Order: sequence, then structure tokens, then C-alpha cells
Amino acid sequence: QSALTQPASVSGSPGQSITISCTGTSSDVGSYNLVSWYQQHPGKAPKLMIYEVSKRPSGVSNRFSGSKSGNTASLTISGLQAEDEADYYCCSYAGSSTPNWVFGGGTKLTVL
Amino acid sequence: QLQLQESGPGLVKPSETLSLTCTVSGGSISSSSYYWGWIRQPPGKGLEWIGSIYYSGSTYYNPSLKSRVTISVDTSKNQFSLKLSSVTAADTAVYYCARHRLRPTDWFDPWGQGTLVTVSS
Repeated sequence: QSALTQPASVSGSPGQSITISCTGTSSDVGSYNLVSWYQQHPGKAPKLMIYEVSKRPSGVSNRFSGSKSGNTASLTISGLQAEDEADYYCCSYAGSSTPNWVFGGGTKLTVL
Repeated sequence: QLQLQESGPGLVKPSETLSLTCTVSGGSISSSSYYWGWIRQPPGKGLEWIGSIYYSGSTYYNPSLKSRVTISVDTSKNQFSLKLSSVTAADTAVYYCARHRLRPTDWFDPWGQGTLVTVSS
């Protein structure tokens, strides 16, 4: 099972919006609305930001939103803030014959 | 508030078996609807799902690691464990444990703080 494809880095200025893409295949992202996104600050554990493509857990800012089209999921962060600077990872269920899960390679977000 | 904490040796020799335990506090590992997972992150690299276990002992493993991985659960201690055999330098990583919610939703949350395991002689 190959990792999902994410851009290595994205950047934006405070107040702007950015979008991070996560490209999989018809065996994972394209077949299931079970994409989740995680934020990881340096030296810290990942934190759940989005699940089931577009749902936000309690406590996560509504500046974070998710979507999906075909084999590509996307995470959009609006109104960028300095604290959003972190690594972001997507994850998808990749059931096929036996349940398994695949992560993206991660995207480094820099707030300029 | 549910918390998870990984523990185990920080250094393992090549060809030996890596063993880690995750202790769950603030909730029961026997809760229905939740699996408990292991995820690792090599230094400077991305995340890789290793496997997940239900309190009954039902497991799912990453196909690429399946031949070397065993995940077990001890409900009396509110713990679950990871064993990875025949390790090489490529298994050097920060190992995280996390609660894994499945069907009909799907997410990992919360995560433990992670523990670095280095494979070296």
C-alpha cells in the first residue's frame, strides 16, 4: 500500500487561506469518505483536525475545513495564524480485502 | 480525559525484538466501538500505521509489516502492547499509540506523546 501523496510544503501569510492536497487512488481516498487530517507541531504528537473528509472534532477551529473530489482530498485553512505553522498529515481507510490505513507523507505549512 | 502513554526500551539491537506498551488512563480499554492503534514516524519522515487491536483481541495489521508484528491487549492492566521482530535500522522511529475509532467513522485520537526507539548495535 503506497503512501498518499501530499505536497512537501505550502506557505501563506497571516490572514490568507491555504489548501493542502492529499492524492490517493480508487482503492483508498476515492472509495471511502474516511479521510482524516492531523496537525503535528515539532516534537509533539499528532492532533486530529478533520475526520470523515469534512467533519471537525469539538474544539477544532472552524477555520479548518476538508473536502474531497475523486481520489484527492483537501484541507483548507482560512485566516492563517502563526500557530497554524506545523506539519499536516492526511490518512485514509484503504480496506480492499483486509482493513488497513494509509497516511500521506506530510506537508510542512509555513506562515510567512 | 483519556490519556495514553508509551513505555519501553529506547534502544534495541538489530535482529532483536522491539517491545512497547501503551497504558491507557482516564477511560477503559474495554470500551466498545474503539480499537487501539500503533503508528510510527521515522526521524524527519511521515507517519505509518502499524496495526490496531480491539479489547477482545481482534487485530488488523499493516500488510507490509504483518509478518513481524504482534499486538496484544491486557484489559486487566488497561494496556496494549506492540512486538516487532527482526528489527533493522529502518525500524528506528518514534512510536505512538492512539485510540482508533472505526465503523462507521474513522479516526485516531488522542495520541500518546510518543517514544523514540533506536535500532543500533
